[in-house]
Amino acid sequence: NAGVMQNPRHLVRRRGQEARLRCSPMKGHSHVYWYRQLPEEGLKFMVYLQKENIIDESGMPKERFSAEFPKEGPSILRIQQVVRGDSAAYFCASSPIRRLAGGGTDTQYFGPGTRLTVL
Amino acid sequence: TQLLEQSPQFLSIQEGENLTVYCNSSSVFSSLQWYRQEPGEGPVLLVTVVTGGEVKKLKRLTFQFGDARKDSSLHITAAQPGDTGLYLCAGHPYSGAGSYQLTFGKGTKLSVIP
Repeated sequence: NAGVMQNPRHLVRRRGQEARLRCSPMKGHSHVYWYRQLPEEGLKFMVYLQKENIIDESGMPKERFSAEFPKEGPSILRIQQVVRGDSAAYFCASSPIRRLAGGGTDTQYFGPGTRLTVL
Repeated sequence: TQLLEQSPQFLSIQEGENLTVYCNSSSVFSSLQWYRQEPGEGPVLLVTVVTGGEVKKLKRLTFQFGDARKDSSLHITAAQPGDTGLYLCAGHPYSGAGSYQLTFGKGTKLSVIP
């Protein structure tokens, strides 16, 4: 069983360029989550998507960041006009979705991450 | 403010010793997960606890979910160098409307010295 796949594993961009991060969920999982891990910080939720739908983007910065999960192909996290503060590890997780009593979804399985460095 | 507080932040012990790390909150969680993260890699799931008071064992690791579902602990018996890593607790805050966001603690960085 292939796990969550992310590419590239490392990405270097200059200030002002665009960064595109890709995530393929585990087989059978139709729900994708993106998290960001800043140095010395915990993982922070960014966005939750289902196929062709953004369910919760409350953790996404309002500007320059966008995410999609098309009907075919991987989920994409796109950062336009990157700045040095965007340097971080970006993790994608997937779940098969099974609503637990009182809220929450099924366990999320994480990919290896994309380490973005902005010069 | 951090919703999930992990302690200690750093822990360095000798091989063979026992240790416990804690994950505390003032909020109720519908479930809690423990992950282990190696440098340069993503978090790898160790266990999910759902029921208050639940205890789960995974070889030398014992996980407990507090009765009120506000806290959890991870106990490692006879630690080995291979246990070295960052241990993260994460959970779904209880919400009648449902919560998809997984909230993470900052982690406990464990180093087991041979």
